[in-house]
Amino acid sequence: DGGITQSPKYLFRKEGQNVTLSCEQNLNHDAMYWYRQDPGQGLRLIYYSQIVNDFQKGDIAEGYSVSREKKESFPLTVTSAQKNPTAFYLCASSRVGAGGRNEQYFGPGTRLTVT
Amino acid sequence: GENVEQHPSTLSVQEGDSAVIKCTYSDSASNYFPWYKQELGKGPQLIIDIRSNVGEKKDQRIAVTLNKTAKHFSLHITETQPEDSAVYFCAASSDYKLSFGAGTTVTVRA
Repeated sequence: DGGITQSPKYLFRKEGQNVTLSCEQNLNHDAMYWYRQDPGQGLRLIYYSQIVNDFQKGDIAEGYSVSREKKESFPLTVTSAQKNPTAFYLCASSRVGAGGRNEQYFGPGTRLTVT
Repeated sequence: GENVEQHPSTLSVQEGDSAVIKCTYSDSASNYFPWYKQELGKGPQLIIDIRSNVGEKKDQRIAVTLNKTAKHFSLHITETQPEDSAVYFCAASSDYKLSFGAGTTVTVRA
């Protein structure tokens, strides 16, 4: 999966608990992304970061938070405010300024189940 | 924002036959169109991409075509093999954000 690691692969939480998903990359990419994938749907962007200490909301940021303190790491916290947190979460990274090509490389994903 | 539609949602082909997946996009500023293959339980893998200044690109058994005027692009897989069975996603981008289609589940029958 191209130097991007996500842990854990499976995560189970009780409703009302916050949970943090890990994403680390060793590709020296400046930009990192978090997507959510639900059955039968495409990937939807939660948050993205083009540089350390800066990030922007994607299309479905409500109930999620992120931080970007290091270039290699972009953890995602799923808060208790997220109404339907059960999903497959994918982290990706890409170079910045890639001449109009946004080649994003994905990690293996974390499947989160909240009951 | 960008809206990408992908068809068909499922595709079953006989081994050795060709498979074609089509996508349309709405934002005329989009200039980068990647295709991803996702196997069950794994992250998507970039298999081919095309920029707006190119009409067609080929890599062994896979090819992508782009029609900027009509705002559609297609993935062609020739001589399909069982290992081609997966979910395929198209995407479009004009900046750092990718907008994805809903995916096509391809099944190659032996």
